[in-house]
Amino acid sequence: GDSVTQMEGPVTLSEEAFLTINCTYTATGYPSLFWYVQYPGEGLQLLLKATKADDKGSNKGFEATYRKETTSFHLEKGSVQVSDSAVYFCALISGNQFYFGTGTSLTVIP
Amino acid sequence: NAGVTQTPKFQVLKTGQSMTLQCAQDMNHEYMSWYRQDPGMGLRLIHYSVGAGITDQGEVPNGYNVSRSTTEDFPLRLLSAAPSQTSVYFCASRRDPRYEQYFGPGTRLTVT
Repeated sequence: GDSVTQMEGPVTLSEEAFLTINCTYTATGYPSLFWYVQYPGEGLQLLLKATKADDKGSNKGFEATYRKETTSFHLEKGSVQVSDSAVYFCALISGNQFYFGTGTSLTVIP
Repeated sequence: NAGVTQTPKFQVLKTGQSMTLQCAQDMNHEYMSWYRQDPGMGLRLIHYSVGAGITDQGEVPNGYNVSRSTTEDFPLRLLSAAPSQTSVYFCASRRDPRYEQYFGPGTRLTVT
């Protein structure tokens, strides 16, 4: 069946470090792909999305590229800030169902 | 435009009690869903609705009921609360099955 696998956390980085959170997927057809972010005590917010192969989604300095050949949608940011500390979820739509990864917790220390 | 709203924000129940978690959206979205979030398990779909009067079960429906009498509202009912239902509950909506979901702020439920 369809699924999303993302790297285990937690991830701890120093401020201004480079961030990569890996996400791979299994799906039939051509799913749309998403990254959501959840700040402490809040709901999930859409961070970025990509709807077809080779699309790059970007927002707030974060980027992810839809790679159909490797079935991946890795999240990257060149220089993280303390305010980026949150849980990040990779997700896809297949059919009319959403599939979420288990989330990766990121802590950025000053 | 408030988006997706949920009440209450926090709730403590005793085993066997019943309650309703409220969810409303003002974006005229047809699709609405309820999820529970537990540590290490990500988000699991409880029930969803594709429009007023139409609901269906998700991955973990046991112990929960839903109804959808209007486009705006999608309440989740716990029939007889159990400690295993201690969780954070999120409601979400989207315009169309091809589009992203918008989430409410969540209800943190503790069952003792």
